Amino acid sequence: GAVVSQHPSWVICKSGTSVKIECRSLDFQATTMFWYRQFPKQSLMLMATSNEGSKATYEQGVEKDKFLINHASLTLSTLTVTSAHPEDSSFYICSARDLDRAIGELFFGEGSRLTVL
Amino acid sequence: GDSVTQMEGPVTLSEEAFLTINCTYTATGYPSLFWYVQYPGEGLQLLLKATKADDKGSNKGFEATYRKETTSFHLEKGSVQVSDSAVYFCALTPRGNTPLVFGKGTRLSVIA
Repeated sequence: GAVVSQHPSWVICKSGTSVKIECRSLDFQATTMFWYRQFPKQSLMLMATSNEGSKATYEQGVEKDKFLINHASLTLSTLTVTSAHPEDSSFYICSARDLDRAIGELFFGEGSRLTVL
Repeated sequence: GDSVTQMEGPVTLSEEAFLTINCTYTATGYPSLFWYVQYPGEGLQLLLKATKADDKGSNKGFEATYRKETTSFHLEKGSVQVSDSAVYFCALTPRGNTPLVFGKGTRLSVIA
């Protein structure tokens, strides 16, 4: 079936450094990918919509300069958390839809747990 | 805007008990409805879905019926197992390539 893969699955970094998370669609092309953030024991919050070949669309309250999204190809989107701080620690999940298959269903990556010290 | 409301947890049940997790939605048009499950330490997995009114989604013994008249998509299972312990998310998406709107999730714990 369709698979979305994220890397790394977990990362620990020092405050002030930048971290890049990759999201790949392994057997389908995704013109659009979605990045979510999940706080402990809470639901998923949509951060941004990543569009291949164009700028990402950010949800209200999400800092675009802090969370850089690049969707350079039809199978890869990256989220870079710049100058990370402890409050950025969270579980980040990407997702994509295979438009040639299941109607509406989003496939999710495994998630990337970021811990900023 | 579109929204999903699901019952708050946590829900604790004994093994073989009957499970219902309520989910209602607000949306324009005719959204597709989903239940996703998140096992401890893992990402989200699609559990079941329904794309039009009166459709019943089912998987692994779980069922949910798309009720347009009550704007609901309640999740049910006749006999839960310890392995069903997870967080369950109800979600919807309008037509087209739009992101999912999630409910807040319901944590289920099944004890032997």
